[in-house]
Amino acid sequence: KQEVTQIPAALSVPEGENLVLNCSFTDSAIYNLQWFRQDPGKGLTSLLLIQSSQREQTSGRLNASLDKSSGRSTLYIAASQPGDSATYLCAAGGSEKLVFGKGTKLTVNP
Amino acid sequence: DAGITQSPRHKVTETGTPVTLRCHQTENHRYMYWYRQDPGHGLRLIHYSYGVKDTDKGEVSDGYSVSRSKTEDFLLTLESATSSQTSVYFCAISSVGRMNTEAFFGQGTRLTVV
Repeated sequence: KQEVTQIPAALSVPEGENLVLNCSFTDSAIYNLQWFRQDPGKGLTSLLLIQSSQREQTSGRLNASLDKSSGRSTLYIAASQPGDSATYLCAAGGSEKLVFGKGTKLTVNP
Repeated sequence: DAGITQSPRHKVTETGTPVTLRCHQTENHRYMYWYRQDPGHGLRLIHYSYGVKDTDKGEVSDGYSVSRSKTEDFLLTLESATSSQTSVYFCAISSVGRMNTEAFFGQGTRLTVV
């Protein structure tokens, strides 16, 4: 059974800092790894999708990496801004479904 | 935004009453999912569908049933609502195939069972 863990559960940083969010998964037989953002009271917004054959994906200030052999993915946020404050969730994609971590709540202080 | 609409967005119901939540998509995606989100538990899969009339259970399916009579609609029914089913429910879609693609989520339904 796939289990996904995100550490830390919460993170508070000053504006402008570069930061890394971590995601680990127990079953390396994944099809993809997806990162989402969730604002309070809102749905999930897809940020980045990394296919199992890929090592990383980039979108603007976001960069996500995937190491299947070690069961890890990281989301790197460059030059953080207060607008980046949200909960970030990673999800491991199997053949038919996604298994989610519990998320990292990020607060970027002005 | 991916074309996913959940209805209702908010609902308060009494214990023991049946409740149906609706998810409607305009993307013609094959896969549809129902998740619930609770503090301390994160997102947990209730049921999913891989085609019209093709459904399967997730990790927290007890007390829930689903139906999919059309590609665009996926219904989640609580046959007899209980307080433990108070939660935020999310519908998701993806065109999962040999190469899994992105999953897109609806805005959620906040259900309160009193």
